[in-house]
Amino acid sequence: QKEVEQNSGPLSVPEGAIASLNCTYSDRGSQSFFWYRQYSGKSPELIMFIYSNGDKEDGRFTAQLNKASQYVSLLIRDSQPSDSATYLCAVNIDAAGNKLTFGGGTRVLVKP
Amino acid sequence: DAGVIQSPRHEVTEMGQEVTLRCKPISGHNSLFWYRQTMMRGLELLIYFNNNVPIDDSGMPEDRFSAKMPNASFSTLKIQPSEPRDSAVYFCASSLRSSGRQMPRTDTQYFGPGTRLTVL
Repeated sequence: QKEVEQNSGPLSVPEGAIASLNCTYSDRGSQSFFWYRQYSGKSPELIMFIYSNGDKEDGRFTAQLNKASQYVSLLIRDSQPSDSATYLCAVNIDAAGNKLTFGGGTRVLVKP
Repeated sequence: DAGVIQSPRHEVTEMGQEVTLRCKPISGHNSLFWYRQTMMRGLELLIYFNNNVPIDDSGMPEDRFSAKMPNASFSTLKIQPSEPRDSAVYFCASSLRSSGRQMPRTDTQYFGPGTRLTVL
């Protein structure tokens, strides 16, 4: 079992709809969780992080964390064609360090 | 401000040759990470440094791989000898690790543009 799992997709979403991405992790000691976006041929860039149970909103993005169920999700509201990318979930399992373990990514395709 | 700088951007070499990838982190950052990304294995952490000191190299696949950080503004990842299965995109990332005991850690890692390595 991989430490961080994501559905590879592609997740096809109509423009203006909500895209919902899920990520599960295996280490209950995981402390903080990150969502990165990676356009094709480019490097990953951070969208947002979360470390407390519940929701965290930043613009059109909402991260949701449920430590009891060991999953973290990302919602993209009012999806735009420019949101078409691969979204990587990353988990910091090292409480004192800053070592990230990445999931395989979910490819999102927003159709006009 | 310049972001993380990597060179070369593309490298094509033949099996058995030595390959050296270079990285200049963002000025002022004190943590540096080397990652490898392939379709099969995704994005994997190879090694990371804090204040130029290697902290965790458990992701380095084998002895053919080595990394150094002689100063705060430069790091290298070397593969000797290279093999076709080393073909991948290699990313360098840097972050500012705050002093003190921040729990949990949410340091943002900034990635360089990557080096696409092809070993024939």
